[in-house]
Amino acid sequence: ETGVTQTPRHLVMGMTNKKSLKCEQHLGHNAMYWYKQSAKKPLELMFVYSLEERVENNSVPSRFSPECPNSSHLFLHLHTLQPEDSALYLCASSQEGPGDYEQYFGPGTRLTVT
Amino acid sequence: GQQVMQIPQYQHVQEGEDFTTYCNSSTTLSNIQWYKQRPGGHPVFLIQLVKSGEVKKQKRLTFQFGEAKKNSSLHITATQTTDVGTYFCAGTTSGTYKYIFGTGTRLKVLA
Repeated sequence: ETGVTQTPRHLVMGMTNKKSLKCEQHLGHNAMYWYKQSAKKPLELMFVYSLEERVENNSVPSRFSPECPNSSHLFLHLHTLQPEDSALYLCASSQEGPGDYEQYFGPGTRLTVT
Repeated sequence: GQQVMQIPQYQHVQEGEDFTTYCNSSTTLSNIQWYKQRPGGHPVFLIQLVKSGEVKKQKRLTFQFGEAKKNSSLHITATQTTDVGTYFCAGTTSGTYKYIFGTGTRLKVLA
């Protein structure tokens, strides 16, 4: 399935590093999402963009910084992360919003903070 | 804040047995979606329910939305090993992009 791609698939970073996660959707969708999935916790919505405008910011620490340069690309910039930020980060897209369309998820980036 | 709980958290069944997972929201939902995540995979959309009391079927899967639009269920008839995975419900309220995902039910099917 190549509808939503994410790179890298795995990332190990130290607490002082700066890295970025990339998401690209090839479905012509207008809304894109970042989720965090930790063990034994439900998926947590982090950010939502609609037509490149941020429409939801779910009380996420400032060490996570999203960027949506166009409706096909979404980035999550990471800096000075904590070990508890280790998780699977999932990107998703949907045709439109709000809340009426199915979300297509990418394969995720497995992040480990050491 | 709004919460969506799912029960059970885990379920082991023998192949051929039925399985049901329940989803309960603390607030009234405008619609509810169901997703399946295979081990090591990502969530994949199964279905969306919008109307109060709605029932939808997909082969062996039956989905229901409660009359009060605060709960939902997914029932699988005669489970198969391919049904293994975690099933999530995701609810949203009117006019928001915010999907609240349930805690998930992890299904294991024993051959």
